[in-house]
Amino acid sequence: EVQLVESGGGLVKPGGSLTLSCAVYGSTFTNIWMSWVRQAPGKGLEWVARIKSKKDGETRDYTAPVNGRFTISRDDLKRTVSLQMISLKTDDTAVYYCTTGGPWGTYFDNWGQGTLVTVSS
Amino acid sequence: AIQLTQSPSSLSASVGDRVTITCRASQGISSGLAWYQQKPGKAPKLLIYDASSLESGVPSRFSGSGSGTDFTLTISSLQPEDFATYYCQHFNIYPFTFGPGTKVDIK
Repeated sequence: EVQLVESGGGLVKPGGSLTLSCAVYGSTFTNIWMSWVRQAPGKGLEWVARIKSKKDGETRDYTAPVNGRFTISRDDLKRTVSLQMISLKTDDTAVYYCTTGGPWGTYFDNWGQGTLVTVSS
Repeated sequence: AIQLTQSPSSLSASVGDRVTITCRASQGISSGLAWYQQKPGKAPKLLIYDASSLESGVPSRFSGSGSGTDFTLTISSLQPEDFATYYCQHFNIYPFTFGPGTKVDIK
């Protein structure tokens, strides 16, 4: 069974920075494409970022609202994926979920419990 | 970006009812669609992928169909644990997007 455990959420002021981390247990991490998905309070789901496996080039993709401000990365030795967030805006307030991607990172077959990021002055 | 719409946005149903939720894509996505169930305060759970493939461990009362632009999620006999919000998601091209959700509550 795959287990994902996020950490690093919290309260940050607009313009501030935060880094989220996700530890992955119980799967062959090196071959998995990983994504972050967020959900603003009372709202729907929004895919945020994806990183391919190293053997597939470790390519990164981002949704437009975060492109240039967020950076997704992975450490295959530590079995972790991170999301570095800078220049945070109030609109970034959300629960951030770490997810594993199905074949070619398509659908999201495993989810963490989520970590809340609140951007407020 | 490909837009997904869902209908209805909410519905009230009784245990044992057959429930159908529709997801429409703004352009053709072949069978690149997944369905998720989310309960309050919990992470979403994958139900269906590739439009009609049942995820391992998901009860067989859930089924998906469709291709191109029009898709449906059907719950053949609604159970008490099925009251939740359901989202579709396409994975045809980046950025992946989700539908706005359909909330299923108790009549």
